[in-house]
Amino acid sequence: DAGVTQSPTHLIKTRGQQVTLRCSPISGHKSVSWYQQVLGQGPQFIFQYYEKEERGRGNFPDRFSARQFPNYSSELNVNALLLGDSALYLCASSSQVQPSSYEQYFGPGTRLTVT
Amino acid sequence: QKEVEQNSGPLSVPEGAIASLNCTYSDRGSQSFFWYRQYSGKSPELIMFIYSNGDKEDGRFTAQLNKASQYVSLLIRDSQPSDSATYLCAVGGYSTLTFGKGTMLLVSP
Repeated sequence: DAGVTQSPTHLIKTRGQQVTLRCSPISGHKSVSWYQQVLGQGPQFIFQYYEKEERGRGNFPDRFSARQFPNYSSELNVNALLLGDSALYLCASSSQVQPSSYEQYFGPGTRLTVT
Repeated sequence: QKEVEQNSGPLSVPEGAIASLNCTYSDRGSQSFFWYRQYSGKSPELIMFIYSNGDKEDGRFTAQLNKASQYVSLLIRDSQPSDSATYLCAVGGYSTLTFGKGTMLLVSP
């Protein structure tokens, strides 16, 4: 079975630009969570979606937004990019509405570099 | 603010030894606990999860949880060079996992 997939793998953007990252969860999983991991730190929670509804939001500015589609795939959008947005963006998939109480499985991530 | 603390390491052990990784957390109401392994440049990989006090064993890995002390640990028996990675402790809240910064483990042949 295919695991969590993310695209693109790598991305280079300029300050002020906008970016869209994509994620497809494990087949049968309805929950998708997004995390940001900067070098030397653990992943930081950004959003969680279940059945197309936002179920949780981390401490990130409104420049960050996300949505989930009927097929449970998800997009993360970041507007007005800053240098500090450079990070590995991770998507995690779970079968549960409360994924933090159950196992979550990460995709390979998208490495975003803002110059 | 929920916090998860780990020693950054590196923790160096010889091949065949037991590696012991530790984690403390601040939210006494936390109910779910996870260990992820992350190789350099890769995404985290779930290796253990534990929900109840005590020990849970899976192959060479044992997770230990003590909710009274707000402490969770991971033991790796018969450590191999391929175990060299950063180990992330994660604690579950309602909709989010809170991660520690990770402990780097180096297993020397």
